[in-house]
Amino acid sequence: NAGVTQTPKFRILKIGQSMTLQCTQDMNHNYMYWYRQDPGMGLKLIYYSVGAGITDKGEVPNGYNVSRSTTEDFPLRLELAAPSQTSVYFCASERGPNEKLFFGSGTQLSVL
Amino acid sequence: RKEVEQDPGPFNVPEGATVAFNCTYSNSASQSFFWYRQDCRKEPKLLMSVYSSGNEDGRFTAQLNRASQYISLLIRDSKLSDSATYLCVVNEGTGFQKLVFGTGTRLLVSP
Repeated sequence: NAGVTQTPKFRILKIGQSMTLQCTQDMNHNYMYWYRQDPGMGLKLIYYSVGAGITDKGEVPNGYNVSRSTTEDFPLRLELAAPSQTSVYFCASERGPNEKLFFGSGTQLSVL
Repeated sequence: RKEVEQDPGPFNVPEGATVAFNCTYSNSASQSFFWYRQDCRKEPKLLMSVYSSGNEDGRFTAQLNRASQYISLLIRDSKLSDSATYLCVVNEGTGFQKLVFGTGTRLLVSP
């Protein structure tokens, strides 16, 4: 089982560029999440989804968008990259609330 | 006050030592509690859930004190491979995971 797969692993963007961070899971999990982790800080929730077609904002959604057209995929879109979005991004999924959370291996993003 | 607060460390201990980490949380309505382990530049992985009655998994023991709103993790007989950052995680949500992550406590186990 692949689990949660994120691509790319690393990316450097210029200010104002856009990109999509891909996340896919093969465990048929309904719940999916995007977190960012800044150095020395805890993970912060950006967006989450409780099923295909349903998404909602987390704690730090500004500057990001998501979609959930299938159970498997939950891409995160940055429209106008800013230096404040330099961070490590983790996608995660779980079968249901209070179950074990599975994380992808992360995307290290630098905006210069 | 931070929602979930941990001593960042690092805790430097020799192999075989016993080490304990504490974590405090501010939301008294929090539903469930976890310890995650994160290796450098890697994703967090669930170490153990924390139950009101306390729970043990091999060398690891987790305890919850709801009255004082703190969670602890005890590691006995430390191994070099235990070197990592330990994240205290509190679920404040109902119906979905509203996980609040602590900043982590770094453990370094030396030979």
